[in-house]
Amino acid sequence: DVKVTQSSRYLVKRTGEKVFLECVQDMDHENMFWYRQDPGLGLRLIYFSYDVKMKEKGDIPEGYSVSREKKERFSLILESASTNQTSMYLCASSLSGQGKYTEAFFGQGTRLTVV
Amino acid sequence: AQSVTQLDSHVSVSEGTPVLLRCNYSSSYSPSLFWYVQHPNKGLQLLLKYTSAATLVKGINGFEAEFKKSETSFHLTKPSAHMSDAAEYFCVVSDHSTGRRALTFGSGTRLQVQP
Repeated sequence: DVKVTQSSRYLVKRTGEKVFLECVQDMDHENMFWYRQDPGLGLRLIYFSYDVKMKEKGDIPEGYSVSREKKERFSLILESASTNQTSMYLCASSLSGQGKYTEAFFGQGTRLTVV
Repeated sequence: AQSVTQLDSHVSVSEGTPVLLRCNYSSSYSPSLFWYVQHPNKGLQLLLKYTSAATLVKGINGFEAEFKKSETSFHLTKPSAHMSDAAEYFCVVSDHSTGRRALTFGSGTRLQVQP
């Protein structure tokens, strides 16, 4: 079974702190993603990476950065946390199929509260 | 650009009655389409996927969905609802031709099942 593991289920941080969310997958997937989930908005893509050291902005990258130094690990960084970044953060990974993108496998999520 | 519209934010059914969750998509090419389910405080789980094989796709737990290109729809159905089906459901599209590697999520439909 594919496993995507996020380092924390719950986090509480103060405004202005630098926050690191870590994600590890064990299936040698090329693609990794960070989404945030808010009620009524579904999941919105923050960043994704299709290879080591490669990254692309998603729909809502402002206030975030990412790092992918190893294939299995993808980190989301909040440079200076703000209260509007209070949300559920979901990491996912997927294979790159032949001309198609396969389904993504998700971690359990990190519920981040910024106070 | 690809996008997904879930036509109902909430659906309530009685146990044992049929379920219909509606989804329309916009895609410039031949998309891959998915339905994911999220139970309270759980991660996202793939229910089923369409990747240009049969237009009627069967998934887990008795769910199925039909791809209708002429209507750009991918509605999710189940003949008889069970209490354990209460959850949030997301319709998702992936369109390789846009070069966008990530999945695009709808805003979600919360399914309530009444006893």
